[in-house]
Amino acid sequence: KAGVTQTPRYLIKTRGQQVTLSCSPISGHRSVSWYQQTPGQGLQFLFEYFSETQRNKGNFPGRFSGRQFSNSRSEMNVSTLELGDSALYLCASSLWQGAGETQYFGPGTRLLVL
Amino acid sequence: SQQGEEDPQALSIQEGENATMNCSYKTSINNLQWYRQNSGRGLVHLILIRSNEREKHSGRLRVTLDTSKKSSSLLITASRAADTASYFCAIYNNDMRFGAGTRLTVKP
Repeated sequence: KAGVTQTPRYLIKTRGQQVTLSCSPISGHRSVSWYQQTPGQGLQFLFEYFSETQRNKGNFPGRFSGRQFSNSRSEMNVSTLELGDSALYLCASSLWQGAGETQYFGPGTRLLVL
Repeated sequence: SQQGEEDPQALSIQEGENATMNCSYKTSINNLQWYRQNSGRGLVHLILIRSNEREKHSGRLRVTLDTSKKSSSLLITASRAADTASYFCAIYNNDMRFGAGTRLTVKP
């Protein structure tokens, strides 16, 4: 099976712009989670989607949003980018939501905000 | 904190030695997982241990869980240079929360 794919892999934006990142889960996986990783804050949970519904949300401002499509693919959007949004954004998929399923991570999208 | 906290932050050993990393947490958990990350890439799942389990093995990996002390340890035996990576524990209690990680360097 193909692994989790994320596009784009690298992105450079300027402050104030918005960005959309895409994640395709492993075939058959219905849960997609997003994480932000920075040197200062480490890995932080953004949100989790299952069956097109947001099931959990981390402690991030409303500028961070996401959605999941009927084919389980997911997108996350960050509006009004700030310098502090520069990070590696990781997507992970699992078969089901809840019960701490093993998560399979994509390679990440590295976002640089100038 | 809902997150796991790894100890030590960094560990440097010689090839062939064993490496032990610890994870402590403060809430009740459904399970605890260990992941590895190489050089800012995606994480790779290593092992999952459920709250009613005390020890699990997978190849050269041994994980223990002590729910009374709210702690877990990951032991990598006979380490190799390829084990050089960051290791994270993740606790699940409604959602997954990762610790800051332990940076392991295995010198050839």
